[in-house]
Amino acid sequence: QKEVEQDPGPLSVPEGAIVSLNCTYSNSAFQYFMWYRQYSRKGPELLMYTYSSGNKEDGRFTAQVDKSSKYISLFIRDSQPSDSATYLCAMSGRSNTGKLIFGQGTTLQVKP
Amino acid sequence: DGGITQSPKYLFRKEGQNVTLSCEQNLNHDAMYWYRQDPGQGLRLIYYSQIVNDFQKGDIAEGYSVSREKKESFPLTVTSAQKNPTAFYLCASTRGAPSGANVLTFGAGSRLTVL
Repeated sequence: QKEVEQDPGPLSVPEGAIVSLNCTYSNSAFQYFMWYRQYSRKGPELLMYTYSSGNKEDGRFTAQVDKSSKYISLFIRDSQPSDSATYLCAMSGRSNTGKLIFGQGTTLQVKP
Repeated sequence: DGGITQSPKYLFRKEGQNVTLSCEQNLNHDAMYWYRQDPGQGLRLIYYSQIVNDFQKGDIAEGYSVSREKKESFPLTVTSAQKNPTAFYLCASTRGAPSGANVLTFGAGSRLTVL
C-alpha cells in the first residue's frame, strides 16, 4: 500500500463546476500538506500549503485537512479551462530533510 | 528572475550510454532534489542534497549518480545500470527549514527517452 493515495482520474467537468480533489494517507506523522499544479510538460508549481488540520482559502481554491481521517481535499470553485492540469498532493512530517511524499496526481480537464 | 534551469529539455539516449541532466538554481537555496515522474506513479525521489559536497539516496537511487560541488548546481547522471530510464526528470530546491515545512520549487523538467 502506498503512503499517499490519489485517484489519477482523469476528471472532466464543465466550466463553472465545483471540483473536489482528494488524497488519503497512512502515515500519522505527516503534518505539512501541499497541493501542486502541473501543466502538461511543465514542472509542478505550489498551489496551496497547510499545516496540520483545518481549512485554508485562496481565491477560488480551498484546501482542507482532516488528520483524524487522514484525508485531504482541494476544492476549486467556478472552475475555468485554465485550471485544466494535473494536481498533485504532497505531504511531509517533522524533519529537516525536506522529503515530500507525493500522490500519483489527478488529471483535471475543464471543458468550456 | 530567480528560478531553476534544467537542461536539456528533451534528450534521447541509446541503450548502454550514460547521460547527464543539468540543474542550476539562482535562488540561493541550500537543498536540492531530483525526482522521477512516470505516468500514474507521481513523483519518486532519486537523490537529494542539503549542503555542498553532501548528498543522500532517495527511494529509487539505483542506476543514478549525482554530485554537489557548487551550491547552485546539482547534476544527475543516468547510468547504463538504470534498467528503465525513460521518464520525466524534475529538479527541485528549497531554502530549507528545520521544522520540515520545506516548500519545493521545481524546474521545468527534462524528458529522457531511451531508444
